[in-house]
Amino acid sequence: GENVEQHPSTLSVQEGDSAVIKCTYSDSASNYFPWYKQELGKGPQLIIDIRSNVGEKKDQRIAVTLNKTAKHFSLHITETQPEDSAVYFCAVSNQGGKLIFGQGTELSVKP
Amino acid sequence: NAGVTQTPKFRILKIGQSMTLQCAQDMNHNYMYWYRQDPGMGLKLIYYSVGAGITDKGEVPNGYNVSRSTTEDFPLRLELAAPSQTSVYFCASTFRPGDGQPQHFGDGTRLSIL
Repeated sequence: GENVEQHPSTLSVQEGDSAVIKCTYSDSASNYFPWYKQELGKGPQLIIDIRSNVGEKKDQRIAVTLNKTAKHFSLHITETQPEDSAVYFCAVSNQGGKLIFGQGTELSVKP
Repeated sequence: NAGVTQTPKFRILKIGQSMTLQCAQDMNHNYMYWYRQDPGMGLKLIYYSVGAGITDKGEVPNGYNVSRSTTEDFPLRLELAAPSQTSVYFCASTFRPGDGQPQHFGDGTRLSIL
């Protein structure tokens, strides 16, 4: 079955710096790649997603890049702010629609 | 619009007790999911449903049961609680997963088995 690896598990940056989180997957049939943000005591919330026919997608300070050949995708957050501090999860899905999640990255943005 | 609502938010059970975790959504989504999240780990799929009357197993179904009698509700049942089931449980729903529609999550039920 599908296997998703996410790195790093923790990431600490200074406010204003950029943060990058990477995920690799194993199933070449996977075609949907969402990123979720989870704040303390809350459920995950979708922040950005990308489909397999697109290489990059951007939404204000957040961007996701996808390399289908290498089977990896990354989340990029620019100009980080303290409110970006949270746990971020990547996920992978195929035509069946079930999500397989990475292990999560705890991002800490220091003022 | 409430989205996905989970009850209770917290619960402590004794080994061998049973309980039902409730999940309701008001977005008319056909697809609903139950996940568990262990500390420092991602979410693991327990069971899912593609519509009323239809359920199927996910990655970690052992020790759990589900039912889906209506579109809105998708309860998760623990019959004989074990310490290994201590976890945070999340319910999610979506309209059309194969088309890149996002899953919407509830805020979770934190369950401790002692």
